[in-house]
Amino acid sequence: GAGVSQSPRYKVTKRGQDVALRCDPISGHVSLYWYRQALGQGPEFLTYFNYEAQQDKSGLPNDRFSAERPEGSISTLTIQRTEQRDSAMYRCASSLTGTGGAGSGNTIYFGEGSWLTVV
Amino acid sequence: AQSVTQLDSQVPVFEEAPVELRCNYSSSVSVYLFWYVQYPNQGLQLLLKYLSGSTLVKGINGFEAEFNKSQTSFHLRKPSVHISDTAEYFCAVSDIGGYNKLIFGAGTRLAVHP
Repeated sequence: GAGVSQSPRYKVTKRGQDVALRCDPISGHVSLYWYRQALGQGPEFLTYFNYEAQQDKSGLPNDRFSAERPEGSISTLTIQRTEQRDSAMYRCASSLTGTGGAGSGNTIYFGEGSWLTVV
Repeated sequence: AQSVTQLDSQVPVFEEAPVELRCNYSSSVSVYLFWYVQYPNQGLQLLLKYLSGSTLVKGINGFEAEFNKSQTSFHLRKPSVHISDTAEYFCAVSDIGGYNKLIFGAGTRLAVHP
């Protein structure tokens, strides 16, 4: 597609339910990132994929959060047993390549985000 | 580890006036620097980036930023703002040679008034 596509755009869920957020990166983009943005804050890094390999998951807050990108394209961020503190905007981004050297400094393109509200 | 501080959470300004949005960073390694803009109900869009070379970087929509290594700053400027510049602006850094993991500041809300 023309840009990074995320779905759903808005999700309201009850505390304790599981949610899955989907990201479809720009075609051909090797690198994929997930960020979380709370109200009044900047985006905070969650995890990074190079192709299908999850190379950095240091930003995932706890083991309720997981992400996958099985075929190196579409990615899913899953939050299990949601809590109210999980309410935030979840942003996906992609770039042509993110690995060191020539790919470093490449522009990262963001999707419009998925607003998650846990009630 | 890196951190980014945007010194103003909100900046009100009148249309056609100049504006400066301030950004300071801290890092133990060399970094690239970025400014992103978020218009209402839209995703983050890259305004400009500094990778190397001239410390004055020009971006889209008439914005420019100057990298000052000694002051670890990367302030964003525009000589004359428009109503349409009303948005949230984010400064970010990433490691040189890394995989483009961006560390963002908390953002500055620019409100342009007629």
